[in-house]
Amino acid sequence: SQQGEEDPQALSIQEGENATMNCSYKTSINNLQWYRQNSGRGLVHLILIRSNEREKHSGRLRVTLDTSKKSSSLLITASRAADTASYFCATDLGGSTLGRLYFGRGTQLTVWP
Amino acid sequence: DAGVIQSPRHEVTEMGQEVTLRCKPISGHDYLFWYRQTMMRGLELLIYFNNNVPIDDSGMPEDRFSAKMPNASFSTLKIQPSEPRDSAVYFCASSLAELRENSPLHFGNGTRLTVT
Repeated sequence: SQQGEEDPQALSIQEGENATMNCSYKTSINNLQWYRQNSGRGLVHLILIRSNEREKHSGRLRVTLDTSKKSSSLLITASRAADTASYFCATDLGGSTLGRLYFGRGTQLTVWP
Repeated sequence: DAGVIQSPRHEVTEMGQEVTLRCKPISGHDYLFWYRQTMMRGLELLIYFNNNVPIDDSGMPEDRFSAKMPNASFSTLKIQPSEPRDSAVYFCASSLAELRENSPLHFGNGTRLTVT
């Protein structure tokens, strides 16, 4: 499979704590993207990191990419109850599949108030 | 922009009936994707279009499924006849070709299909 695989499948933390989710993939990528899905809603794009980038920040989000290990991590700092959602990584392989993304199964994050 | 609009939000139908799901992509976007999401299989790409032309339909499960994009602002996914195992949430997403190398997808809120 060319999909990313998230780890852990589920994560439960208290408000204020940091949440770290990991994604591993199998083939070379053009970019890797993280999405969030609230219950009953569509996926929402959070952040994109290109294959030549190692780290990216957006507000309380920090994404890292290690192409040698074919892995990425998403860190949410100072989590809030509103961060409760499923988080998916998606890989863009480029080339003939340009535009198409391969999604993992997601990490279900629960943040308790 | 209103975002990607899907209808209906919920559809309950009996086995054997025809089901049509509808999608209006974001204006100006020229990639359109149909995904299916289930607990068992996660998010699966069914088919995607570029400039209204189907590019890859290898994810369409079988001949009962068909998708069309008659113009840049409308697409349908049809299941005929429907079966209980088709029960899932179906998402439509669109993206912009100009940025296609790094283009994020914009998802609709999905259609929850239940086939009894």
